[in-house]
Amino acid sequence: KAGVTQTPRYLIKTRGQQVTLSCSPISGHRSVSWYQQTPGQGLQFLFEYFSETQRNKGNFPGRFSGRQFSNSRSEMNVSTLELGDSALYLCASRRAGRPEGELFFGEGSRLTVL
Amino acid sequence: AQRVTQPEKLLSVFKGAPVELKCNYSYSGSPELFWYVQYSRQRLQLLLRHISRESIKGFTADLNKGETSFHLKKPFAQEEDSAMYYCALSGGETSGSRLTFGEGTQLTVNP
Repeated sequence: KAGVTQTPRYLIKTRGQQVTLSCSPISGHRSVSWYQQTPGQGLQFLFEYFSETQRNKGNFPGRFSGRQFSNSRSEMNVSTLELGDSALYLCASRRAGRPEGELFFGEGSRLTVL
Repeated sequence: AQRVTQPEKLLSVFKGAPVELKCNYSYSGSPELFWYVQYSRQRLQLLLRHISRESIKGFTADLNKGETSFHLKKPFAQEEDSAMYYCALSGGETSGSRLTFGEGTQLTVNP
């Protein structure tokens, strides 16, 4: 079974631009969540989608948004990029009915904002 | 607010020695606690969760609600245990996949 797949793996943007990251969950997993990982703040929850609906949202500004498609694939978007948005963005999926914290993570998309 | 604290950023032990990675949490309700591990050049993965009360790769962790701790222990460390370990907390069903992570402990097991 293929794991969680994230694209692109690396990208470089400049301040003010926007970026879209993609995540394909493990087949059969309907929950997709996103995390931001930085050296200073560690792993922080961004949001979770389940059956195309945002189920939970972390404490991030409105520049961070996401969505989920009917095939459970998810995208997250960051608009008006700031230097502080440089981070590793991790996607995780979970199978419905499994314990809430049993997540399967992707390898991440490393965003550098110049 | 919920919080997870891992007091040691770095921990170094010799092969065969016991190892304990500390985790303390603050949460007003009944949390679910997890340990995640990230080996070099691998993705973050679940190691164990307190509700299963199982031992994975020789590691165990007991939830101590009185001390609000969930320390990870292994009696005899192996070199392949060298990795980054994260303690994480979930507020249960209402939290969904929202985990609060500690800052992590980098464990190095020396030969």
